[in-house]
Amino acid sequence: DGGITQSPKYLFRKEGQNVTLSCEQNLNHDAMYWYRQDPGQGLRLIYYSQIVNDFQKGDIAEGYSVSREKKESFPLTVTSAQKNPTAFYLCASSIDTTSRGYNEQFFGPGTRLTVL
Amino acid sequence: GESVGLHLPTLSVQEGDNSIINCAYSNSASDYFIWYKQESGKGPQFIIDIRSNMDKRQGQRVTVLLNKTVKHLSLQIAATQPGDSAVYFCAENIHPGGSYIPTFGRGTSLIVHP
Repeated sequence: DGGITQSPKYLFRKEGQNVTLSCEQNLNHDAMYWYRQDPGQGLRLIYYSQIVNDFQKGDIAEGYSVSREKKESFPLTVTSAQKNPTAFYLCASSIDTTSRGYNEQFFGPGTRLTVL
Repeated sequence: GESVGLHLPTLSVQEGDNSIINCAYSNSASDYFIWYKQESGKGPQFIIDIRSNMDKRQGQRVTVLLNKTVKHLSLQIAATQPGDSAVYFCAENIHPGGSYIPTFGRGTSLIVHP
């Protein structure tokens, strides 16, 4: 059963703590993405990775970090430097980022992070 | 309708009616567009896509229209059902440095009344 998973579904953290959100895919996709979604807003790109051991900043990378040590995994760390981290975080993957017509993204179920 | 940069609009329809959700995109160089459906508390799901060399594409109960002259995209849902209630996003694919990275609008909330 192929897909993309995120864990946990709900996450609470105290102010000043770092927290890591998990994202795993078994679709054999090269590209993976992290988005942030705030209420009533669209998706804003945090980071994306086109291939293992490579990643690029998106529009709102400040206060976040990622790694891509394995093709199937793209964890996101929300650091204490992120000023307003409470949001819904979505991970996605696609075959790659360069093939026209094949850039459909498959999204995970999301992680709702709340900073207490 | 939806436009990148504006507040989340809402469209209310009666079950059985046709729905039209609009999207204005910003980049004239965008050549690939996707509509996604997002149900409450879930990740977006692909509905239909269209390339810039097309004006219209049809799926099951859905049709996407593209007007490149005015940079406008629409999603038509025929015989709208309660299960269609969700937020709908259009995404335009732009390509910084050769990579195709989707840019999402803020979405339109569709509410279907039984």
